[in-house]
Amino acid sequence: AQSVTQLGSHVSVSEGALVLLRCNYSSSVPPYLFWYVQYPNQGLQLLLKYTSAATLVKGINGFEAEFKKSETSFHLTKPSAHMSDAAEYFCAVAKTGGGNKLTFGTGTQLKVEL
Amino acid sequence: DTGVSQDPRHKITKRGQNVTFRCDPISEHNRLYWYRQTLGQGPEFLTYFQNEAQLEKSRLLSDRFSAERPKGSFSTLEIQRTEQGDSAMYLCASSAAGSSTEAFFGQGTRLTVV
Repeated sequence: AQSVTQLGSHVSVSEGALVLLRCNYSSSVPPYLFWYVQYPNQGLQLLLKYTSAATLVKGINGFEAEFKKSETSFHLTKPSAHMSDAAEYFCAVAKTGGGNKLTFGTGTQLKVEL
Repeated sequence: DTGVSQDPRHKITKRGQNVTFRCDPISEHNRLYWYRQTLGQGPEFLTYFQNEAQLEKSRLLSDRFSAERPKGSFSTLEIQRTEQGDSAMYLCASSAAGSSTEAFFGQGTRLTVV
């Protein structure tokens, strides 16, 4: 079975500071990994995905994530936080050949302070 | 195409009543998923369709829940005899066929059972 663990349910950064949101996965087969963002009372928007093509994945809004098999991690980073980045972020895993069914982490609420 | 659309956006119902939600996926997507999200949690998989065939159902989907996708286009999720524990955001997503294609989410239907 696949699962993801997001360390830190709340992260607070200053505007302009580095954003680092942590995600570790567990999968018995090579996984597909995703980061989604959710604004209040909205659905989820895909930030980026890892599908084994390249270990460093660039996404929208300046976000990127690096797949590290040895650490079973897929942490999300952004060099400089903007106020508009304040939202909830979800890491998710899908099993290859599993119909794209996603298993989500519990989410990390990102707060950006002036 | 404007993306995945869900109707209604909000639903308040009395305990014991039946409710039905509708999801219209992106037109060229043959896969459609339902997820449930409770406060402070990540979305949890409920069920998914490939065309009109319901291929997988979660154990979360009790006998009071039923989902259909009669012509392989829109889908409905019905909850019979609602309980307060059914209060949640119900999210629909769609994707194209293929192992690595991402799911696109609708804005969700927020159900409140009073």
